[in-house]
Amino acid sequence: GENVEQHPSTLSVQEGDSAVIKCTYSDSASNYFPWYKQELGKRPQLIIDIRSNVGEKKDQRIAVTLNKTAKHFSLHITETQPEDSAVYFCAANSSGNTGKLIFGQGTTLQVKP
Amino acid sequence: KAGVTQTPRYLIKTRGQQVTLSCSPISGHRSVSWYQQTPGQGLQFLFEYFSETQRNKGNFPGRFSGRQFSNSRSEMNVSTLELGDSALYLCASSSGARETQYFGPGTRLLVL
Repeated sequence: GENVEQHPSTLSVQEGDSAVIKCTYSDSASNYFPWYKQELGKRPQLIIDIRSNVGEKKDQRIAVTLNKTAKHFSLHITETQPEDSAVYFCAANSSGNTGKLIFGQGTTLQVKP
Repeated sequence: KAGVTQTPRYLIKTRGQQVTLSCSPISGHRSVSWYQQTPGQGLQFLFEYFSETQRNKGNFPGRFSGRQFSNSRSEMNVSTLELGDSALYLCASSSGARETQYFGPGTRLLVL
């Protein structure tokens, strides 16, 4: 069945360090991979997404890489700041003409000042 | 543009009751998806509606149902509530498949 595995489940880094979160998806037909950030008590907010026609996308301190062969994509945050502390979710779209997203289990990122 | 809104924001029900949650998408968005978020199961897809038609359904029992109106507003209904239905119910709207989904603030449902 459709599945997205996300690792690690928790990540603690020192302010200024980099953080990397990795996801693996099962459906080879998936072609859209968004990342969401959810702060405590708030709604998930899209921080970056990538489509299968590119291998990497960058937006300031955030980058995402995609390896279609391995069915693997990763989120990279550089120069982390305390306000980056949140739960991060990766997702992959379900095949077919649908907006269904399959989410990973989430990574709790703590950035220590 | 105004963001996705959901009502009510909080709800307390008892087992056996039913509940209806509402979601108003971003203006112009025709796709509305619903997700259940719990600490143990994460974010799980319930169903998606596009132009008043259910386009996809997740692996939830038939007690969970939904609909979409001609103005793209969507409702979901849960009948015969169980304790395990306690969760944050999020809706998300988008302009179509493989487009950015914008989430609403969610409805937190507590079943006693």
